[in-house]
Amino acid sequence: DVKVTQSSRYLVKRTGEKVFLECVQDMDHENMFWYRQDPGLGLRLIYFSYDVKMKEKGDIPEGYSVSREKKERFSLILESASTNQTSMYLCASSYPRGGDNSPLHFGNGTRLTVT
Amino acid sequence: AQRVTQPEKLLSVFKGAPVELKCNYSYSGSPELFWYVQYSRQRLQLLLRHISRESIKGFTADLNKGETSFHLKKPFAQEEDSAMYYCALGWAGNMLTFGGGTRLMVKP
Repeated sequence: DVKVTQSSRYLVKRTGEKVFLECVQDMDHENMFWYRQDPGLGLRLIYFSYDVKMKEKGDIPEGYSVSREKKERFSLILESASTNQTSMYLCASSYPRGGDNSPLHFGNGTRLTVT
Repeated sequence: AQRVTQPEKLLSVFKGAPVELKCNYSYSGSPELFWYVQYSRQRLQLLLRHISRESIKGFTADLNKGETSFHLKKPFAQEEDSAMYYCALGWAGNMLTFGGGTRLMVKP
């Protein structure tokens, strides 16, 4: 069974802090994604990665960056946290690109509060 | 640009009643549609995808290209169906665009 693990379930940070959200998957998936989940807005894609050291911007990348130094780990970085980044953050992974869209496997989420 | 619309944020039904969660999409290419579900305190997971044409937990969904819809249906709702449901559109190989979600509440 695929496991996607997000290191923190809850985080509280202050405005201006640099924040790291970590995600690890154990199924050798090439693709990894970071979404934020907000009521009424659904899931919005922040960044994604198809391979090590590769990253692509999603729909709402402003204020975020990512790092993929190893295949199994995909980190989301908030360079200077702001209150409008208070949200639930979901990491996901899937099989290689090409052909049918393969299902996303999600982590449990990290609820980030920025005060 | 691709877009997914779920017009109802909340749907409340009684146990045993039929359920229909609406989903409409906008996409110029050949769509691939999914329904994902998130039960309380659980992670988001795939419920079904249109290419499988299968019934999962009594739910079915038919892709209607003419109406650009992919509504999720179940003839008799159960309390354990209470959850958050997201419709998603697949495009460009492994990209997913999600709708805003519908919370289904099944009352006893």
